[in-house]
Amino acid sequence: GQNIDQPTEMTATEGAIVQINCTYQTSGFNGLFWYQQHAGEAPTFLSYNVLDGLEEKGRFSSFLSRSKGYSYLLLKELQMKDSASYLCAVNTGGFKTIFGAGTRLFVKA
Amino acid sequence: SAVISQKPSRDICQRGTSLTIQCQVDSQVTMMFWYRQQPGQSLTLIATANQGSEATYESGFVIDKFPISRPNLTFSTLTVSNMSPEDSSIYLCSVGQVQETQYFGPGTRLLVL
Repeated sequence: GQNIDQPTEMTATEGAIVQINCTYQTSGFNGLFWYQQHAGEAPTFLSYNVLDGLEEKGRFSSFLSRSKGYSYLLLKELQMKDSASYLCAVNTGGFKTIFGAGTRLFVKA
Repeated sequence: SAVISQKPSRDICQRGTSLTIQCQVDSQVTMMFWYRQQPGQSLTLIATANQGSEATYESGFVIDKFPISRPNLTFSTLTVSNMSPEDSSIYLCSVGQVQETQYFGPGTRLLVL
């Protein structure tokens, strides 16, 4: 079966660092996406990891371990506008993408 | 990335009726998809909209309920037929770009009474 697990909710403080974990078990794996979705809006692309390791993009970094079926999204210097849902998604081949249920992040002052 | 628009942005419909959602892209794209996002849940792929041929539906979704058109490389429609309250959801179209990345339209919020 296809399974993507991530925490339902997290709370962090403005200026802090937060790590959102994602574990997956899928029948195929081409790469792993992270998307950000603000309430009432469409998901927007954040990152795509194909190889193991850490990829940094400004305040956001994404890590992948294919052998462990594990990824995390690291958000540094949190801002209030980072309050959103973060979706972990696995590309299983071609454009076939399976989405996790998302982690709702609340950033407090 | 492509600019994607959807119409309508939201609608309230009576059960038993049908609604057609339009998705327009500002450039030609090969891959277009339709997703559903039910309240508090993640995205579920309904189908891949194929230009010039029938859409490819995912398990649990059928053409009679969700007919899809894709007349050209910039436009697609999704119809939600014979609606029931369980169809209340956000419907999103997306386009595939490089590295299998998808970009999403703004979504159509549907409420069925």
